[in-house]
Amino acid sequence: GENVEQHPSTLSVQEGDSAVIKCTYSDSASNYFPWYKQELGKRPQLIIDIRSNVGEKKDQRIAVTLNKTAKHFSLHITETQPEDSAVYFCAASPPDGNNRLAFGKGNQVVVIP
Amino acid sequence: EAQVTQNPRYLITVTGKKLTVTCSQNMNHEYMSWYRQDPGLGLRQIYYSMNVEVTDKGDVPEGYKVSRKEKRNFPLILESPSPNQTSLYFCASSLRQGVSYEQYFGPGTRLTVT
Repeated sequence: GENVEQHPSTLSVQEGDSAVIKCTYSDSASNYFPWYKQELGKRPQLIIDIRSNVGEKKDQRIAVTLNKTAKHFSLHITETQPEDSAVYFCAASPPDGNNRLAFGKGNQVVVIP
Repeated sequence: EAQVTQNPRYLITVTGKKLTVTCSQNMNHEYMSWYRQDPGLGLRQIYYSMNVEVTDKGDVPEGYKVSRKEKRNFPLILESPSPNQTSLYFCASSLRQGVSYEQYFGPGTRLTVT
């Protein structure tokens, strides 16, 4: 099955700087790649996603880039703010018709004021 | 308000005492799923359901059962809980296959088995 890995496991950044989290996946047939944000004590929520026919997608301060050849995708957060502190999960969905998501283990992002 | 609800939110129980965690969604979603979240292991899928009466195992199904008799409900059953099932459990739902993959998570159920 699909295997998703995230790096680094923890990332500390100064407020206002950029943060980049990278995920790799194993199944070259996977075609959907979402990022979920989980604030402390709360549920995961979708923040951005990308499909395999697109190389980059932006939404205000966040962007996701996809490199299908290398089988990796990255989350970019610019002008980080304290409210960006959270655990971020990437996921990949193979086109097996089951709507399943294989999640990575998560990255803890800490924004230092 | 569109939402996924879970009950109970917190539960402390003893080994071997059967329990059920309920999950309900009011968005008419076809796809529902259960995950467990453990430190350092991320979100791992336990079971999922594509529609009423259609369920299948996820990555860590051992020790769990599910049922999907109604579209809105997807209870998780632990017939004989053990301490290694102490975890944070999330139910999630999404619209349907091929239409939208976004999964809407419930608030979570923190289970402790002693």
